[in-house]
Amino acid sequence: GAVVSQHPSWVICKSGTSVKIECRSLDFQATTMFWYRQFPKQSLMLMATSNEGSKATYEQGVEKDKFLINHASLTLSTLTVTSAHPEDSSFYICSARGVVGGHQETQYFGPGTRLLVL
Amino acid sequence: GESVGLHLPTLSVQEGDNSIINCAYSNSASDYFIWYKQESGKGPQFIIDIRSNMDKRQGQRVTVLLNKTVKHLSLQIAATQPGDSAVYFCAERSTGFQKLVFGTGTRLLVSP
Repeated sequence: GAVVSQHPSWVICKSGTSVKIECRSLDFQATTMFWYRQFPKQSLMLMATSNEGSKATYEQGVEKDKFLINHASLTLSTLTVTSAHPEDSSFYICSARGVVGGHQETQYFGPGTRLLVL
Repeated sequence: GESVGLHLPTLSVQEGDNSIINCAYSNSASDYFIWYKQESGKGPQFIIDIRSNMDKRQGQRVTVLLNKTVKHLSLQIAATQPGDSAVYFCAERSTGFQKLVFGTGTRLLVSP
């Protein structure tokens, strides 16, 4: 099956520092990658959509200068949380959309990255 | 837009029972639907999908039913096992749009 990896799986940082999260599609090329944020007991909140080689499209209310997204290749996207603050603490999940094994193009999720800002 | 809820609806079943998780959607233009399973502390896991030109699709122990007339989607899990305990999300997408719209999720609790 399709595998999407994220690194790191969890990170603790001090307020004011920047944190980079990597998302890789391991066995397929992702035409589009997505970044989500999830609070406890809630559904996934889409932050941004990115296509390889172009600028990300951010959802309303998501600060693009705060959450920098780079999608440099068809298998790698990064999310950088700049000048992190405690309110940025959350579970960040990436997702990659692509065709796997000749099946319908669909969207697969990474395992998530738990960020705790002290 | 994305759904946000403070309290997930919960379905409690006994091991071996069949489970039915329901989802209502509002966009009549949605033509692709996916069910995901999310275990605690993990990312959503793809279970099964269905396009709007179908009303039923079966996988291993799971069946998805789509009723476009009433905009309703359901996930049936046969012979539910404790390992099926998780939060289940439905998601929909319209042709020409890249992003999925997620439902609020349903927590499935399976007791032995």
